[in-house]
Amino acid sequence: GAVVSQHPSWVICKSGTSVKIECRSLDFQATTMFWYRQFPKQSLMLMATSNEGSKATYEQGVEKDKFLINHASLTLSTLTVTSAHPEDSSFYICSARGQVNTGELFFGEGSRLTVL
Amino acid sequence: QKEVEQDPGPLSVPEGAIVSLNCTYSNSAFQYFMWYRQYSRKGPELLMYTYSSGNKEDGRFTAQVDKSSKYISLFIRDSQPSDSATYLCAMKGTVATNKLIFGTGTLLAVQP
Repeated sequence: GAVVSQHPSWVICKSGTSVKIECRSLDFQATTMFWYRQFPKQSLMLMATSNEGSKATYEQGVEKDKFLINHASLTLSTLTVTSAHPEDSSFYICSARGQVNTGELFFGEGSRLTVL
Repeated sequence: QKEVEQDPGPLSVPEGAIVSLNCTYSNSAFQYFMWYRQYSRKGPELLMYTYSSGNKEDGRFTAQVDKSSKYISLFIRDSQPSDSATYLCAMKGTVATNKLIFGTGTLLAVQP
């Protein structure tokens, strides 16, 4: 199956700083990437949809100025959590869809953010 | 009411048992149903992908969809300790739809 890689897998930062998480499709070109957030014992919640070369589409209730998404190439999307606060601590997971839309999504391994 | 309901468990079974995992949903527009396995602190891995009602089998895994009851199941035969993980159901309305609606996941522990 297709491989999606996320980096870093675990990051700890101080309150007020910004953190960037990368999501890469390693063996396919991802026209569309998705960013999810997962709190403990809760389901994955879609935050935004990112299309290569265009602005991301955010889900209702997700602050676009706080969660900056850049999809600059067909293999890389980044999520920047700006001015992070402890309530932003969560597991962030990206997924990607290939250029041929079979409906199947491939997930990265996730990035655990802890804001002190 | 949540769109997708899933018992969070934990579900503990002995090795070799048949495991039954279930989700119910409320949106009759859902047509595509998926089961993902998620190991601790890892991303979800797609196990089964089905369309509409019916059964689909892949090795020890069988996915079952009953759209009339809005109920989906995943059966694991001859369960192994390596099957211990959280199992998430997910669903959507059309193949082109980006947004998957996930259940909360069921934590499964297979005891050796």
